[in-house]
Amino acid sequence: SQTIHQWPATLVQPVGSPLSLECTVEGTSNPNLYWYRQAAGRGLQLLFYSVGIGQISSEVPQNLSASRPQDRQFILSSKKLLLSDSGFYLCAWSPVDRGDNIRAFFGQGTRLTVV
Amino acid sequence: AQSVSQHNHHVILSEAASLELGCNYSYGGTVNLFWYVQYPGQHLQLLLKYFSGDPLVKGIKGFEAEFIKSKFSFNLRKPSVQWSDTAEYFCAASQGGYNKLIFGAGTRLAVHP
Repeated sequence: SQTIHQWPATLVQPVGSPLSLECTVEGTSNPNLYWYRQAAGRGLQLLFYSVGIGQISSEVPQNLSASRPQDRQFILSSKKLLLSDSGFYLCAWSPVDRGDNIRAFFGQGTRLTVV
Repeated sequence: AQSVSQHNHHVILSEAASLELGCNYSYGGTVNLFWYVQYPGQHLQLLLKYFSGDPLVKGIKGFEAEFIKSKFSFNLRKPSVQWSDTAEYFCAASQGGYNKLIFGAGTRLAVHP
C-alpha cells in the first residue's frame, strides 16, 4: 500500500536560518506531489506542485522553493526564513490518473515556528 | 479568483444531533469537489468527493454531501453525529488536471457525549 512520510513533525527555527523539509512517498510511481501550508486561522494553501522529477510549479510568490530530485521525493526549502513563514506545512501526493479515482493523500505535516 | 468558503469555523453539537456544514465555491465550468477530515492526531483524509453524476454523494462513516450547482454549494451532512466525529473538516475544490486543491478555512467540530 502507498504511504507518505514527512519530517520533521515540529521545527523551531530562528529568523534568517535555512529550511529543509522532506517528503517521501512509497508504494507508487510517478505521483503528482504537492506542498500545502496552513497559516493560523486560514485554510490550506497550495504552494508548489510537481508532475515529475525536476518539474516544479509555484502557485504563490514567496520566500520558499521546492525541488524533486527523485521520483518520490519532494523537498521544501528556504535560504533565509522569515517570521511570516511560520505555519503548518503538509506534503501530499495524488495518482496521475485523472478519472474518478483521483484523490490526494496527505502526510502528517510539519509545524514550523520561526522565532 | 477561484475560492472555497466554509461558513462555520467552530461547531459544537451533542451526540445524536444532526450536522450540516456549509461550503460554497467560486469556479466557472466543471469543478471537482471534496470533503476532507482530520481527526485528532491523524492525517488529513478523504471523506467524500463529487466528480459528476448523482449530486448526492455518500461517503464514509455515514456522511453525505449534496452538490447544488445553482447555489455553487457542496454542503456536508450527517443525520446523527457521534463523539468520534470530533475533527476538523475541510471543503476543497479542483478544476482541470493535476488535482490542485483549493481549500476552505476548515470547520472544527466538537461533539459532546
